[in-house]
Amino acid sequence: LAKTTQPISMDSYEGQEVNITCSHNNIATNDYITWYQQFPSQGPRFIIQGYKTKVTNEVASLFIPADRKSSTLSLPRVSLSDTAVYYCLQRTGRRALTFGSGTRLQVQP
Amino acid sequence: DGGITQSPKYLFRKEGQNVTLSCEQNLNHDAMYWYRQDPGQGLRLIYYSQIVNDFQKGDIAEGYSVSREKKESFPLTVTSAQKNPTAFYLCASSKARDREFDEQYFGPGTRLTVT
Repeated sequence: LAKTTQPISMDSYEGQEVNITCSHNNIATNDYITWYQQFPSQGPRFIIQGYKTKVTNEVASLFIPADRKSSTLSLPRVSLSDTAVYYCLQRTGRRALTFGSGTRLQVQP
Repeated sequence: DGGITQSPKYLFRKEGQNVTLSCEQNLNHDAMYWYRQDPGQGLRLIYYSQIVNDFQKGDIAEGYSVSREKKESFPLTVTSAQKNPTAFYLCASSKARDREFDEQYFGPGTRLTVT
């Protein structure tokens, strides 16, 4: 199974930029990197996906270096409502997603 | 409103009983999935279906069964053979089985407690 590694938890304060790094050493040529966000007792929600370099949307940015063995999710100016678990997934083909334990982000006032 | 519905939100059963969790989607998605989540853990795939009348086992299919008789419905039965059924169950769907990028949309989940 494609496996990613990310920090178990992170703390931040409101208004700060948060960067969560994920390693995916066994990424294959056709794999994409996808990030989901999950609030307690809710289903995960898609944030962003990328293949290489940089992708930006209204919520976050995703940086993937040339070797694609890691990626960084960047959340600009976090607020209390960004407190959640963030999952980095290595998406292989059409099969269902493989979730790890994710990174628990705690944003404090 | 288009989306995925799971019912009920909370479900309680006695050990030894089978229980069926409902999942319905009106997004016209081809693929549907069932995941299980235990406290503090990520999601683990139970079963998935890419098309009506077809489904595949995921990573932890033992003790579970599914059916896909209609495109919009993918019920999950937790049988008495499942040794630790108490968990948070999440259903998801996605648009097309042949797309490289296939975002999954999740339902609100059903929290099952078996005593």
